[in-house]
Amino acid sequence: NAGVTQTPKFQVLKTGQSMTLQCAQDMNHEYMSWYRQDPGMGLRLIHYSVGAGITDQGEVPNGYNVSRSTTEDFPLRLLSAAPSQTSVYFCASSRFPPVFNTGELFFGEGSRLTVL
Amino acid sequence: KNEVEQSPQNLTAQEGEFITINCSYSVGISALHWLQQHPGGGIVSLFMLSSGKKKHGRLIATINIQEKHSSLHITASHPRDSAVYICAVNSGSARQLTFGSGTQLTVLP
Repeated sequence: NAGVTQTPKFQVLKTGQSMTLQCAQDMNHEYMSWYRQDPGMGLRLIHYSVGAGITDQGEVPNGYNVSRSTTEDFPLRLLSAAPSQTSVYFCASSRFPPVFNTGELFFGEGSRLTVL
Repeated sequence: KNEVEQSPQNLTAQEGEFITINCSYSVGISALHWLQQHPGGGIVSLFMLSSGKKKHGRLIATINIQEKHSSLHITASHPRDSAVYICAVNSGSARQLTFGSGTQLTVLP
């Protein structure tokens, strides 16, 4: 089925380890983004991309890195994991970026990350 | 002050009740989204609104642009409607969407 595929669903890391959360969409969407969701807080934007080769920082970018070499893929890298990065991460895509009317939003199933 | 406020934060209802969840925002918008998140699950889009009203099955979403307010209604609620409902606004002048903190709905059988 068309949509956003996000892996892994669960991951446990030790402080200082690095890892990559994968995100892929097959809808030819321009806009892709990564959010983190913490208890009692709304979704917070980490990084986003408005097309292949173009990325920018969101509200909470520190400790994370992204790249967008293709339209389909938008991986999120944790460079040196810290306990404060324990969270649920969501990848999302939409046809257009929020500076326009985005169109329908599509989310991945989420990745629950625990950093010990 | 959050740009998007949802109320109530938590709502418990009996099966069959009519439910209303509210979303107020403080910025001009080009669109408002209602999202649903089931426990342990992903987030799905329910509605995208620019004006007026939309209906899908037992769900109805309305928006009043002048009052900067939107409501999500669920008619004949069912336990499977239990989820977190999230409002998000697309202001058009901002680089990102702004999300409310969500309303946890529990429908008891």
